[in-house]
Formats: sequence, C-alpha cells, structure tokens
Amino acid sequence: EAQVTQNPRYLITVTGKKLTVTCSQNMNHEYMSWYRQDPGLGLRQIYYSMNVEVTDKGDVPEGYKVSRKEKRNFPLILESPSPNQTSLYFCASSPGTSGHSDTQYFGPGTRLTVL
Amino acid sequence: AQSVTQLDSQVPVFEEAPVELRCNYSSSVSVYLFWYVQYPNQGLQLLLKYLSGSTLVKGINGFEAEFNKSQTSFHLRKPSVHISDTAEYFCAVSDLRTSYDKVIFGPGTSLSVIP
Repeated sequence: EAQVTQNPRYLITVTGKKLTVTCSQNMNHEYMSWYRQDPGLGLRQIYYSMNVEVTDKGDVPEGYKVSRKEKRNFPLILESPSPNQTSLYFCASSPGTSGHSDTQYFGPGTRLTVL
Repeated sequence: AQSVTQLDSQVPVFEEAPVELRCNYSSSVSVYLFWYVQYPNQGLQLLLKYLSGSTLVKGINGFEAEFNKSQTSFHLRKPSVHISDTAEYFCAVSDLRTSYDKVIFGPGTSLSVIP
C-alpha cells in the first residue's frame, strides 16, 4: 500500500531532551516536507526537500533540523525541544521536485507534547 | 507574502443541505489552488486542485470549487452534505511568482454536519 508513515504517533517529552520523528514514504517521491499544525493557524511548513541531499527552510524552521540521506526517509530532529514546539506534526511527500503543483500525500501525524 | 484566509472557522450545516466553505488568497498573477480535507485523527488528503483551464473544478466526494481570479477566491461547495463530510477543510495556495516550492495553507474550516 502506497503510504507515508510517521513514528512515533504520540510522544511526551521534557524540555531539552533531543528527539527524532521519523518519516518514510514508499512511493519513490522526490519532494518531502514537514508541517506543524496548531489551532487557528492551519499548517505551517517547517522544512522541505526537493531531492536527496537537498533541503530548504520553510516558514517556521527555528528549533528544527532535517536530513535527506535517502529518497524514502526524511526525519525531523528537535535538538533541544521547548514547550512552544508542542504541536501536531505532519510529514508529506509528492512526486515532483517541487511542492507547488503536485498533490501532497500526508502521513497520519505525530502529536508531540513538550513539558 | 502570499496568505490564505478562510473566513469561517466553524460551519454547522444540516444533513442533505448545501454548503459553501470560503477561501480567499492574496492577489497574485499566477497561483495554484488546493482544497484538502482532514478527517478526525487522520492526515490530510486532497479534495481537488486548480492548476489551469476551466475555473470550475470537480473533486472527490461530490465537492467542487470555483476559481475567481478577480475576487481572488476559491470557494468550496457541495450541493448536499452527508454526516461523513464532518471534517476540517483546508484551502491552500501556491504562488508561482514568490514561492515556487511551497504551498501556503489557510487556518482551516471545521464543517459539522448535523443529523
């Protein structure tokens, strides 16, 4: 089944404890992206990647890191999480090398709480 | 910078009644437009998109949207809603002039279908 998977689905952690949220897609998509969803704000893009080893900042990249060493995986890293990073996170992928015209396929989301 | 406005944060509607969810975006010469739906506890999935051509776009589940360039709007409509349409709906815009690789999401409209 074609899908985007994220792990973990739920995570409660404490301030300053490094964490990684994994994202994997099995559709051989070029473009991958991370969003955070907050009430009243919709989805805001954190980072995106047009291809392996190519990443760029979205609208809210502060406090986050990403890497794209292989096409299928795009992990989101929080080196020192803070309470304002408590949010619902979505990974998405799309077939082309840009996200502007292709349909994006979303993962199920990761709900992160930072105490 | 491109922005997306969804004027109604919540829309309650009775089952089998028609519904319109409004979306407006900042003025731009060239845009791509999307509507995504998020069912409870799930990721987003594409309902429909406008890239070019006919301004009336038909999507899945009986939804359609009309691109109005002069009013910079892309309202979503359905002539008769079902209980299963209860979900969060997001309008999204890609501004080809200023954000080639990015899609900007609106804050979302929560549609509640009342039996």
